Amino acid sequence: DAGITQSPRHKVTETGTPVTLRCHQTENHRYMYWYRQDPGHGLRLIHYSYGVKDTDKGEVSDGYSVSRSKTEDFLLTLESATSSQTSVYFCAISDGRLAGGGSYEQYFGPGTRLTVT
Amino acid sequence: EDQVTQSPEALRLQEGESSSLNCSYTVSGLRGLFWYRQDPGKGPEFLFTLYSAGEEKEKERLKATLTKKESFLHITAPKPEDSATYLCAVLYSSASKIIFGSGTRLSIRP
Repeated sequence: DAGITQSPRHKVTETGTPVTLRCHQTENHRYMYWYRQDPGHGLRLIHYSYGVKDTDKGEVSDGYSVSRSKTEDFLLTLESATSSQTSVYFCAISDGRLAGGGSYEQYFGPGTRLTVT
Repeated sequence: EDQVTQSPEALRLQEGESSSLNCSYTVSGLRGLFWYRQDPGKGPEFLFTLYSAGEEKEKERLKATLTKKESFLHITAPKPEDSATYLCAVLYSSASKIIFGSGTRLSIRP
């Protein structure tokens, strides 16, 4: 199994509070991703990173920010949590190369279940 | 609009009854198509990558194929432990654009 951990695994928070989710990898992969998974929507990309301090938006980035100060850590912050952000959040990593034995195939963490009341 | 559609949404089979799951896509500049398996309460687990039309990959009872418009995941003589949600994802255009389908929930009855 790819070395990816997410913390916390479960969190309940109140509307309006800030929340930070952490993803940690031990694979030294260049790319890291944050997704949310909701019934009927599948996995949707929130933000991704292609290197330390290099990040970009995905399709559902509003209300979320990210930071990557070290190769192994990728943080997702909900600045002011809303009930619509109740979801399961997955972190993923990939090597990010199509040739030379690398690939864009992604390896996922175990997920964080976030409930905003 | 760039889109990935999986069908059926759910499929119930008897043990040993072979079938296929479909993933159709409308994107420009396909660079790769991925299949994942997801068990309840867990993250998706990588199965296959396909890069070009005509390519096939196999793993145990699963075989993935790719055409210019769609991919199939064929499951031969399935067992109850094959029950899971199967997701496909498409890498297209730039290397950072990936879209996931909504998945097919597969249930195998003993």
